[in-house]
Amino acid sequence: ILNVEQSPQSLHVQEGDSTNFTCSFPSSNFYALHWYRWETAKSPEALFVMTLNGDEKKKGRISATLNTKEGYSYLYIKGSQPEDSATYLCAFTKGSGGYQKVTFGTGTKLQVIP
Amino acid sequence: GAVVSQHPSRVICKSGTSVKIECRSLDFQATTMFWYRQFPKQSLMLMATSNEGSKATYEQGVEKDKFLINHASLTLSTLTVTSAHPEDSSFYICSASRTTDTQYFGPGTRLTVL
Repeated sequence: ILNVEQSPQSLHVQEGDSTNFTCSFPSSNFYALHWYRWETAKSPEALFVMTLNGDEKKKGRISATLNTKEGYSYLYIKGSQPEDSATYLCAFTKGSGGYQKVTFGTGTKLQVIP
Repeated sequence: GAVVSQHPSRVICKSGTSVKIECRSLDFQATTMFWYRQFPKQSLMLMATSNEGSKATYEQGVEKDKFLINHASLTLSTLTVTSAHPEDSSFYICSASRTTDTQYFGPGTRLTVL
């Protein structure tokens, strides 16, 4: 069983505050790390996919970094807005050869208070 | 692009009946489709991976005779929960991927077995 852990489990921030959360994953047989945003009553939406140690991705106010050697990724949200309220999931893909397996974390539920 | 639909969104059935859930990629051809199950306050748990025209690969602990998966075309996969029991009540969600690793998710199906 692969342990993909996300912290914190939930958090509340004021509108305008910046925030970040963590995804921890096994550092062996790394293939890719995905971040998804899952708003209530909607489908999870892909935010980023990162494959290389040191990767940094950015999409508007949201950015992510990756450290495959120590097995963690950070997701940052700058100037949080109410529409950022969602559960943020990371997914670790383990792979070697032609085989890949995806394991999801339990998510960080973000609530942005206007 | 990359829209995935899932039908039905909610189903209530009697114990012992079978329920079929459809997953369609609406605007792309999905080489691979995935079926997940989510228990309350837990992560998405991969049940099986299916490629068009071939048998699904089930995760350890998932009964393939209980959860029948058919991937008849590059745009349609179905999950049939056979002889459903109350313990099968859960949230089932599918995803589809093209040649990249990013998965595009459907909106999910809430199954309640009475």
